[in-house]
Amino acid sequence: DAGVIQSPRHEVTEMGQEVTLRCKPISGHDYLFWYRQTMMRGLELLIYFNNNVPIDDSGMPEDRFSAKMPNASFSTLKIQPSEPRDSAVYFCASSIRNTQYFGPGTRLTVL
Amino acid sequence: GEDVEQSLFLSVREGDSSVINCTYTDSSSTYLYWYKQEPGAGLQLLTYIFSNMDMKQDQRLTVLLNKKDKHLSLRIADTQTGDSAIYFCALETGANNLFFGTGTRLTVIP
Repeated sequence: DAGVIQSPRHEVTEMGQEVTLRCKPISGHDYLFWYRQTMMRGLELLIYFNNNVPIDDSGMPEDRFSAKMPNASFSTLKIQPSEPRDSAVYFCASSIRNTQYFGPGTRLTVL
Repeated sequence: GEDVEQSLFLSVREGDSSVINCTYTDSSSTYLYWYKQEPGAGLQLLTYIFSNMDMKQDQRLTVLLNKKDKHLSLRIADTQTGDSAIYFCALETGANNLFFGTGTRLTVIP
């Protein structure tokens, strides 16, 4: 298996623009997680899905953030409009049973 | 809520053993994990321990769990320069969810 796939790996955008991050989980995994990592706040869980259904989105910072999982093999995290404080590395992870496997991350820079 | 603490930095000489420590507050986790993050990469699962175990060994890695003191440690024997990375402990909080520690940056000095 190729592991968790994320795209793009790097994204540079200007404040106010819409950003869409993409994730393909490992086939057969029934949980999908979105995390954000910054120097100041460490690793934060934003939202997670079970069988494509959002279970807990309490970590989503504000309404500018939204996440979808239209099917078992694809999820998106959207930021609209983006702000400089959204600059971070965003990770997607998938799991079956208890062990999470992480993607390589998307480094987002908002100017 | 859960609180998971780790020292931020650890430096060791190549060939020595490294011990990375983690303390936590919620003892209800069934599984406890160690992840490794190399520069510019995602988190890689290193090992995990079931809560009813005291110790687990996997090649150069030894995990010790002291449930009474709520203390988890990762020992790396014969530490190599390739072990330089950030190490995260994580506790399973239910529904496949994990709570991560702050991470310990291990630097191996040649």
